[in-house]
Amino acid sequence: NIVLTQSPATLSVTPGESVSLSCRASQSISTSIHWYQQKSNESPRLLIKYASQSIAGIPSRFSGSGSGTDFTLSINRVESEDFSIYYCQQSYSSLYTFGAGTKLELK
Amino acid sequence: QVQLKESGPGPVQPSETLSLTCTVSGFSLTSYGVNWVRQPPGKGLEWMGRMNYNGDTSYNSALKSRLSISRDTSKNQVFLKMNSLQTDDTGTYYCTRDGPYFDYWGQGVMVTVSS
Repeated sequence: NIVLTQSPATLSVTPGESVSLSCRASQSISTSIHWYQQKSNESPRLLIKYASQSIAGIPSRFSGSGSGTDFTLSINRVESEDFSIYYCQQSYSSLYTFGAGTKLELK
Repeated sequence: QVQLKESGPGPVQPSETLSLTCTVSGFSLTSYGVNWVRQPPGKGLEWMGRMNYNGDTSYNSALKSRLSISRDTSKNQVFLKMNSLQTDDTGTYYCTRDGPYFDYWGQGVMVTVSS
């Protein structure tokens, strides 16, 4: 199985800061990585597909980059509504896997 | 619009079999697959398995021996059955549309395994 390692586990920031969240794959997966946001007691929401492709209705401050094994979700100028948990997911293998998540919290 | 909704039996006893239904609308099960994803309380997401648009299935290796996914296209429903439940199977179970990213999610159904 393809293992996805997200770092850091927790990121403490103040509103207005820009942040980068990392997702590293155990083998090359091209750009078959997708990012989700999960707020407390809600279903996850798709933020970015195929590493860098935007999703309709998602604020433009969210962007993604990377290919191969290293991927980044960037949030430009974090807003209060962004404090939640972020997960990456790979679809390179037909046996999908998720990363363990990065919690973005208020400093 | 696209919607998915999970339904299930509520509390389940250890060693019993879990049966969940995902009822979809706004898309065809012969055009899109449906995944099952679960989340233990306070923990991360785990992909469980998938019913593909063509009727094929894929399963998480760790669950494969206990898990079965099927569908009824005439009723727009996908079913999950998992046997030999234990307390660590407690959590929220979601169905999602396959893209192969998960662009639509159900609201989730809480499953509690307890004696």
